[in-house]
Amino acid sequence: DIQMTQSPSSLSASVGDRVTITCRASQSISNYLNWYQQKPGKAPKLLIYTASSLQSGVPSRFSGSGSGTDFTLTINSLQPEDFATYYCQQSYRTPPGFTFGPGTKVDIK
Amino acid sequence: QVQLVQSGAEVKKPGASVKVSCKASGYSFTTYGISWVRQAPGQGLEWMGWISAYNGNTNYAQELQGRVTMTTDTSTSTAYMELRSLRSDDTAVYYCARKRSDYDYEGLGYWGQGTLVTVSS
Repeated sequence: DIQMTQSPSSLSASVGDRVTITCRASQSISNYLNWYQQKPGKAPKLLIYTASSLQSGVPSRFSGSGSGTDFTLTINSLQPEDFATYYCQQSYRTPPGFTFGPGTKVDIK
Repeated sequence: QVQLVQSGAEVKKPGASVKVSCKASGYSFTTYGISWVRQAPGQGLEWMGWISAYNGNTNYAQELQGRVTMTTDTSTSTAYMELRSLRSDDTAVYYCARKRSDYDYEGLGYWGQGTLVTVSS
Protein backbone atom coordinates (compact mmCIF):
# COMPACT_ATOMS: atom_id res chain seq x y z
CA ASP A 1 0.00 0.00 0.00
CA ILE A 2 1.05 3.58 -0.61
CA GLN A 3 1.78 5.45 2.62
CA MET A 4 1.62 9.22 2.88
CA THR A 5 3.54 11.39 5.33
CA GLN A 6 3.31 15.12 5.95
CA SER A 7 5.60 17.60 7.61
CA PRO A 8 5.38 19.43 9.81
CA SER A 9 2.48 17.97 11.78
CA SER A 10 1.68 21.46 13.00
CA LEU A 11 2.97 24.97 12.62
CA SER A 12 2.31 28.41 13.97
CA ALA A 13 2.27 31.34 11.60
CA SER A 14 1.17 34.93 11.38
CA VAL A 15 -1.18 36.64 8.97
CA GLY A 16 0.82 37.58 5.90
CA ASP A 17 3.36 34.77 6.27
CA ARG A 18 4.27 32.37 3.53
CA VAL A 19 3.60 28.78 4.61
CA THR A 20 4.91 25.59 3.04
CA ILE A 21 3.66 22.09 3.85
CA THR A 22 5.37 18.98 2.54
CA CYS A 23 3.83 15.64 1.63
CA ARG A 24 5.77 12.52 0.76
CA ALA A 25 4.55 9.27 -0.79
CA SER A 26 6.14 5.89 -0.05
CA GLN A 27 6.43 5.24 -3.78
CA SER A 28 6.11 7.29 -6.93
CA ILE A 29 2.58 8.52 -7.56
CA SER A 30 3.37 10.68 -10.59
CA ASN A 31 1.32 13.87 -10.07
CA TYR A 32 -1.71 12.10 -8.57
CA LEU A 33 -1.72 14.15 -5.40
CA ASN A 34 -4.51 16.32 -4.03
CA TRP A 35 -4.67 18.81 -1.15
CA TYR A 36 -7.61 19.51 1.15
CA GLN A 37 -8.34 22.11 3.80
CA GLN A 38 -10.50 21.25 6.78
CA LYS A 39 -11.83 23.60 9.42
CA PRO A 40 -13.20 22.37 12.76
CA GLY A 41 -16.63 20.80 12.45
CA LYS A 42 -16.64 21.08 8.66
CA ALA A 43 -16.15 18.68 5.78
CA PRO A 44 -12.83 18.80 3.94
CA LYS A 45 -12.56 21.13 0.97
CA LEU A 46 -10.56 20.31 -2.15
CA LEU A 47 -7.91 22.99 -2.79
CA ILE A 48 -5.47 21.52 -5.30
CA TYR A 49 -5.79 18.48 -7.56
CA THR A 50 -3.18 16.61 -9.58
CA ALA A 51 -0.42 18.31 -7.60
CA SER A 52 -0.74 21.80 -9.02
CA SER A 53 -4.21 22.49 -10.42
CA LEU A 54 -6.25 24.99 -8.44
CA GLN A 55 -9.82 23.92 -7.70
CA SER A 56 -12.44 26.38 -8.90
CA GLY A 57 -13.13 29.13 -6.38
CA VAL A 58 -9.92 28.61 -4.40
CA PRO A 59 -7.84 31.78 -3.92
CA SER A 60 -4.68 32.05 -5.97
CA ARG A 61 -2.51 32.40 -2.85
CA PHE A 62 -2.74 28.60 -2.66
CA SER A 63 -0.41 26.68 -4.93
CA GLY A 64 0.91 23.15 -5.22
CA SER A 65 3.95 21.58 -6.78
CA GLY A 66 5.85 18.33 -7.03
CA SER A 67 5.79 14.96 -8.70
CA GLY A 68 6.95 11.45 -8.01
CA THR A 69 7.19 11.18 -4.23
CA ASP A 70 7.64 14.74 -2.97
CA PHE A 71 5.01 17.47 -3.01
CA THR A 72 4.43 20.86 -1.46
CA LEU A 73 1.47 23.06 -0.69
CA THR A 74 2.31 26.75 -0.42
CA ILE A 75 0.09 29.46 0.98
CA ASN A 76 1.31 32.92 0.08
CA SER A 77 0.31 35.73 2.42
CA LEU A 78 -1.61 33.67 4.98
CA GLN A 79 -5.07 35.03 5.71
CA PRO A 80 -7.13 34.64 8.91
CA GLU A 81 -9.48 32.20 7.17
CA ASP A 82 -6.55 29.93 6.25
CA PHE A 83 -6.00 28.70 9.79
CA ALA A 84 -7.07 25.08 9.42
CA THR A 85 -5.75 21.55 8.97
CA TYR A 86 -4.39 20.55 5.59
CA TYR A 87 -4.34 17.01 4.22
CA CYS A 88 -2.66 15.54 1.20
CA GLN A 89 -4.19 12.55 -0.56
CA GLN A 90 -2.84 10.22 -3.21
CA SER A 91 -5.09 9.26 -6.09
CA TYR A 92 -2.60 7.10 -7.97
CA ARG A 93 -4.31 3.81 -7.29
CA THR A 94 -8.00 4.47 -7.85
CA PRO A 95 -9.51 2.18 -6.95
CA PRO A 96 -8.67 0.96 -4.45
CA GLY A 97 -7.68 3.77 -2.30
CA PHE A 98 -7.47 7.49 -1.80
CA THR A 99 -4.93 7.36 1.01
CA PHE A 100 -4.71 10.54 3.05
CA GLY A 101 -1.71 11.99 4.80
CA PRO A 102 -1.91 12.53 8.56
CA GLY A 103 -2.55 16.26 8.27
CA THR A 104 -0.81 19.53 9.11
CA LYS A 105 -2.48 21.95 11.50
CA VAL A 106 -1.81 25.62 10.82
CA ASP A 107 -2.59 27.86 13.75
CA ILE A 108 -2.05 31.43 14.77
CA LYS A 109 1.29 32.44 16.23
CA GLN B 1 -25.60 22.59 -7.88
CA VAL B 2 -24.18 19.32 -6.59
CA GLN B 3 -25.35 18.48 -3.09
CA LEU B 4 -24.79 15.47 -0.86
CA VAL B 5 -27.07 15.38 2.17
CA GLN B 6 -26.42 12.78 4.83
CA SER B 7 -28.63 11.25 7.48
CA GLY B 8 -28.52 12.33 11.10
CA ALA B 9 -26.37 11.36 14.04
CA GLU B 10 -26.55 7.86 15.46
CA VAL B 11 -25.74 6.31 18.81
CA LYS B 12 -25.10 2.58 18.78
CA LYS B 13 -23.99 -0.08 21.22
CA PRO B 14 -20.88 -2.18 20.62
CA GLY B 15 -21.63 -5.08 18.33
CA ALA B 16 -24.54 -3.34 16.61
CA SER B 17 -24.72 -2.09 13.02
CA VAL B 18 -25.25 1.37 11.57
CA LYS B 19 -26.42 2.45 8.14
CA VAL B 20 -25.69 5.99 6.98
CA SER B 21 -27.37 7.47 3.92
CA CYS B 22 -26.16 10.08 1.46
CA LYS B 23 -28.72 11.63 -0.89
CA ALA B 24 -27.29 13.20 -4.02
CA SER B 25 -28.79 15.94 -6.14
CA GLY B 26 -27.74 18.36 -8.84
CA TYR B 27 -26.16 15.81 -11.17
CA SER B 28 -26.83 12.49 -12.86
CA PHE B 29 -26.38 10.07 -9.96
CA THR B 30 -25.21 7.08 -11.98
CA THR B 31 -22.41 9.05 -13.65
CA TYR B 32 -20.20 9.25 -10.57
CA GLY B 33 -19.23 6.92 -7.77
CA ILE B 34 -19.46 7.75 -4.09
CA SER B 35 -16.57 7.46 -1.67
CA TRP B 36 -16.91 7.20 2.09
CA VAL B 37 -14.37 8.79 4.43
CA ARG B 38 -14.41 8.79 8.22
CA GLN B 39 -12.72 10.85 10.88
CA ALA B 40 -12.40 9.77 14.50
CA PRO B 41 -12.48 12.55 17.11
CA GLY B 42 -9.32 14.63 16.89
CA GLN B 43 -7.86 12.35 14.22
CA GLY B 44 -7.19 12.48 10.50
CA LEU B 45 -9.17 11.36 7.48
CA GLU B 46 -9.54 7.67 6.68
CA TRP B 47 -10.78 6.54 3.27
CA MET B 48 -13.23 3.67 3.77
CA GLY B 49 -14.18 2.69 0.26
CA TRP B 50 -15.96 3.50 -2.94
CA ILE B 51 -19.02 2.38 -4.84
CA SER B 52 -19.89 2.90 -8.47
CA ALA B 53 -23.38 4.33 -8.77
CA TYR B 54 -23.42 3.03 -12.33
CA ASN B 55 -23.01 -0.70 -11.71
CA GLY B 56 -22.62 -1.13 -7.96
CA ASN B 57 -18.98 -2.19 -8.10
CA THR B 58 -17.26 -1.61 -4.81
CA ASN B 59 -13.80 -1.35 -3.37
CA TYR B 60 -13.27 -1.31 0.36
CA ALA B 61 -10.32 -0.41 2.53
CA GLN B 62 -8.62 -3.63 3.53
CA GLU B 63 -8.99 -2.98 7.24
CA LEU B 64 -12.79 -2.75 6.90
CA GLN B 65 -13.31 -5.73 4.62
CA GLY B 66 -16.00 -8.01 5.99
CA ARG B 67 -17.58 -5.31 8.18
CA VAL B 68 -18.60 -2.67 5.65
CA THR B 69 -21.12 -2.75 2.83
CA MET B 70 -21.78 0.11 0.45
CA THR B 71 -24.89 0.19 -1.70
CA THR B 72 -26.84 2.61 -3.84
CA ASP B 73 -30.49 3.14 -4.70
CA THR B 74 -30.58 4.76 -8.12
CA SER B 75 -34.34 5.37 -7.88
CA THR B 76 -33.73 7.84 -5.07
CA SER B 77 -30.14 8.87 -5.91
CA THR B 78 -29.03 7.71 -2.50
CA ALA B 79 -25.88 5.93 -1.39
CA TYR B 80 -25.65 3.92 1.80
CA MET B 81 -22.80 2.79 4.00
CA GLU B 82 -23.46 0.01 6.51
CA LEU B 83 -20.86 -0.85 9.16
CA ARG B 84 -21.38 -3.96 11.30
CA SER B 85 -19.94 -5.30 14.54
CA LEU B 86 -19.36 -1.77 15.77
CA ARG B 87 -16.55 -1.09 18.23
CA SER B 88 -15.75 1.98 20.27
CA ASP B 89 -13.01 2.93 17.82
CA ASP B 90 -15.63 3.20 15.05
CA THR B 91 -16.85 6.37 16.77
CA ALA B 92 -16.30 8.98 14.10
CA VAL B 93 -17.83 11.44 11.70
CA TYR B 94 -18.63 9.63 8.47
CA TYR B 95 -18.57 11.58 5.21
CA CYS B 96 -19.74 10.69 1.73
CA ALA B 97 -17.97 12.40 -1.15
CA ARG B 98 -17.97 12.56 -4.94
CA LYS B 99 -15.03 13.09 -7.24
CA ARG B 100 -14.70 16.54 -8.77
CA SER B 101 -14.74 15.40 -12.40
CA ASP B 102 -14.86 12.39 -14.69
CA TYR B 103 -11.32 11.53 -13.62
CA ASP B 104 -10.82 9.49 -10.47
CA TYR B 105 -7.42 11.02 -9.85
CA GLU B 106 -8.69 14.59 -9.57
CA GLY B 107 -9.83 14.17 -6.01
CA LEU B 108 -13.05 14.50 -4.07
CA GLY B 109 -14.64 17.80 -4.94
CA TYR B 110 -18.04 17.42 -3.28
CA TRP B 111 -18.72 16.34 0.28
CA GLY B 112 -21.68 15.63 2.47
CA GLN B 113 -22.03 17.43 5.78
CA GLY B 114 -20.95 14.41 7.80
CA THR B 115 -22.77 12.04 10.14
CA LEU B 116 -21.56 11.48 13.69
CA VAL B 117 -21.74 7.86 14.75
CA THR B 118 -21.09 7.25 18.43
CA VAL B 119 -20.48 3.73 19.67
CA SER B 120 -20.95 3.45 23.39
CA SER B 121 -22.33 0.98 25.87
